[in-house]
Amino acid sequence: DAGVTQSPTHLIKTRGQQVTLRCSPKSGHDTVSWYQQALGQGPQFIFQYYEEEERQRGNFPDRFSGHQFPNYSSELNVNALLLGDSALYLCASSQGLSASYEQYFGPGTRLTVT
Amino acid sequence: AQRVTQPEKLLSVFKGAPVELKCNYSYSGSPELFWYVQYSRQRLQLLLRHISRESIKGFTADLNKGETSFHLKKPFAQEEDSAMYYCALSGLKVGNEKLTFGTGTRLTIIP
Repeated sequence: DAGVTQSPTHLIKTRGQQVTLRCSPKSGHDTVSWYQQALGQGPQFIFQYYEEEERQRGNFPDRFSGHQFPNYSSELNVNALLLGDSALYLCASSQGLSASYEQYFGPGTRLTVT
Repeated sequence: AQRVTQPEKLLSVFKGAPVELKCNYSYSGSPELFWYVQYSRQRLQLLLRHISRESIKGFTADLNKGETSFHLKKPFAQEEDSAMYYCALSGLKVGNEKLTFGTGTRLTIIP
C-alpha cells in the first residue's frame, strides 16, 4: 500500500488562473481532509469529505472547492488564484469522520502562484 | 474558537539531555490532543495522542486541563529525534473533528 498519494508534486500557476489538485486515500479509508500549509506555519484545515459530501469546512473562501469520487479519491479546486495561495497543500485520509481515527497524510503538492 | 500555541519555533538540545516541547491550547469543551512529527524528507505522521496514553519512541505527553497544556517530553534525547513537531487538537463531538495545528517546533539534537 503506497499510502496517501497526491498529484502533482509541484505546480506553478499565474494569478487569476484555476488549479486542481488530486488525492488518493490510503487503502480502506473513506474520509479525505485537505490542509493548506504556508511557509513557516502549521497545516490549516480547508475541508473534509465523506460519502462524497463536504462535511466540515475551515475558514477558507468559496474560491476553494472540492469533490470526492465514489472510489473515495478527492480533488481540491482553487479558482482565481492569488499570490497568497502559494503553499503546500496536504491531503489526509482516515477510516471515518471520528477523531478517534488516525489521519494519514500524503506528501503534499507544492503550489507556487506568480 | 480553537487554537493551539507552540511558543518555541526552534529548540536545540544535547544528545542525552531531557526534551520538552511546549503546547498550549484553547478549546471550549473536551478536545482530543495529538503530537505529529515530520522527519527530514518524510511526510507528516502521528507520533502520539492523548487518548491512547502510550509512550512512542520514548516520548510521552500529559494533558493538563487546568493549564490547558499538552507538553511533549522525553527523558533522554537521541539524534534521530531531530525533526519538526506539531501539536494539534480536534473536537470529540460529531461535526467538529477537524484538526487544528500549532505552528510547530523544530527540534535539533546536538551530538
